[in-house]
This record gives sequence, C-alpha cells and structure tokens, in this order.
Amino acid sequence: KQEVTQIPAALSVPEGENLVLNCSFTDSAIYNLQWFRQDPGKGLTSLLLIQSSQREQTSGRLNASLDKSSGRSTLYIAASQPGDSATYLCAVRRGNAGNMLTFGGGTRLMVKP
Amino acid sequence: NAGVTQTPKFRILKIGQSMTLQCTQDMNHNYMYWYRQDPGMGLKLIYYSVGAGITDKGEVPNGYNVSRSTTEDFPLRLELAAPSQTSVYFCASRAGNEKLFFGSGTQLSVL
Repeated sequence: KQEVTQIPAALSVPEGENLVLNCSFTDSAIYNLQWFRQDPGKGLTSLLLIQSSQREQTSGRLNASLDKSSGRSTLYIAASQPGDSATYLCAVRRGNAGNMLTFGGGTRLMVKP
Repeated sequence: NAGVTQTPKFRILKIGQSMTLQCTQDMNHNYMYWYRQDPGMGLKLIYYSVGAGITDKGEVPNGYNVSRSTTEDFPLRLELAAPSQTSVYFCASRAGNEKLFFGSGTQLSVL
C-alpha cells in the first residue's frame, strides 16, 4: 500500500527566505506526482505535475524535483512572500492502479512579513 | 469558466438523515473523484469514476454511494448519516494524464 509522508507538518519562515518542502512515498512505482496548494476554507489548486520520467518541473518561483528511486520529492520556493502562506500537499498517482491518487498530510507554511 | 462546482457549501445533518452532495464539471473530463478531508489530515478517496456509467470504490467507501449518468455530474449520496461522516468533502476531475482540478468543497456536520 502506498503511503505518502510530508515533514514537517508546519513551518514558519521570515519573508524573503528560500525554503524546501519534503514529500516521501513508500512505493516507487508511481505514474506521476503533483504538488497542491490549499488556502484555508478552500479547495486544492495544482501547482506542479511531474511525470515519472521527469526529474523536475518549474513554475515561476516554484521548483519541484522527483527522485523515484529514493521515494522523494521536494518543492522549492524561492524568495518566499506572505502570500505563499498556505498548506502544501503532495500526491502520487500509482503506476499500476492509475486512477487513484494518494495524498500526504500536508505542510502548513506561514511566511512572516 | 466554472471548472468544478460543488453544492452546497455548508450543511448540518442530524444522525440518520440522508443527503446528496452535488458535483458538476464543465471541462469534459472523464475522470472524477470524491475525497474527504478531516482536520489536519490528508485527503482520503471515497469513490471515483473513469467515465459515464462507470464507478469504483476508493479507500473509504462505506456509508456512501455514487452514480455517474453523465460526463458532467458525479453526485455523492450519504445514507443514514453518522457523526463519523463529519468532514469536508471535495470533488475533483481530470483529463487523461493531466493535473487534477478541485471544487471548493462542502463542509458537512452530522450532529
């Protein structure tokens, strides 16, 4: 059974700092991995999608990397801003049961002005 | 463009009541999903559908039912509501290998 873990559960940083969020998964036979952002009381917004054949994806100040062999992904946020404050979740789509995504518990990020 | 629309946004049920959570998408996506999110937890898959007329159980299907009569709509039915079903429910959809789009959620309390 695939398990996805995100550590730390919460993180507080000063504005302007570069930061890394971590996601680990137990079964490396994944189809793809997504990072989502969730604002309080809102739904999830997909930030980056990395296919299993890719090593990283970039969008603006965000960069996500994938290392399937070690079961890890990281989300790098450059020059953090207070508007980045939200919960960040990762989810993996399994390779042999491709219709289901397994989510991590999320990292709650607060960027202080 | 509307994307994924969920109704209602909030609902309070008494134990034993039934209700249907509505979900519709206007992106012609084949894949649709229902998740629940409990406080401080990740999302758990309740049911999913790979196209009209096809549904399948996820991780936590007990106490729920779904139907998919059209590509656009994927309602979630709660029968005999229980306090354990107090949660936030999210509907999502995607096309092919593309990213997942979520609705804004339904906050349900069963008292």
